[in-house]
Amino acid sequence: EIVMTQSPATLSVSPGERATLSCRASQSVSSNLAWYQQKPGQAPRLLIYGASTRATGIPARFSGSGSGTEFTLTISSLQSEDFAVYYCQQYNNWPTFGPGTKVDIK
Amino acid sequence: QVQLQESGPGLVKPSETLSLTCAVSGYSISSGYYWGWIRQPPGKGLEWIGSIYHSGSTYYNPSLKSRVTISVDTSKNQFSLKLSSVTAADTAVYYCARAHIAAAGTSGAFDIWGQGTMVTVSS
Repeated sequence: EIVMTQSPATLSVSPGERATLSCRASQSVSSNLAWYQQKPGQAPRLLIYGASTRATGIPARFSGSGSGTEFTLTISSLQSEDFAVYYCQQYNNWPTFGPGTKVDIK
Repeated sequence: QVQLQESGPGLVKPSETLSLTCAVSGYSISSGYYWGWIRQPPGKGLEWIGSIYHSGSTYYNPSLKSRVTISVDTSKNQFSLKLSSVTAADTAVYYCARAHIAAAGTSGAFDIWGQGTMVTVSS
């Protein structure tokens, strides 16, 4: 099993600021990495796949980078609707998810 | 617009079998993609249960494999999940989702999700 870890567990950010979320895999997953956003009571929403490709309809303020075992999701200027929990998921092997990073208002 | 909708009992007794169906609209399952099930216990993270290809080939989370069956009914454009011998640890919101096909031919990122259905295991 490929274990995914995310840091920090909680990130407090002011609107308009930049947010940087990290995801690490226990072994290389190449670029087979996705990021999701989940708001309370809602299903996850795909943001990024292939480590850096934005999904359809995702604003340009969301960007992904990394390969191998280290990945980053950057939100360039946080909007009010971006406060949520973010999960990474690898699909290099059978899919596994990270524990999530909660982005809340500072 | 592709939409997925889960349905099934919201309460299942311990040791019984949990059965859910995901109806797909706006896209024919026979046309491709993987179709998967993911669950989320209350207040916790996401766990992949398994995925099925439109051809019917499946693969499952090894930790659940002995209890899981996923099947597809292309005539009804839906796919289903059966999880046997459930316990309280299986209480969760269950999501169905469509997955890209990854480079290795396996289930990739989940791009379209159902709204989820809460299943409680309790006597």
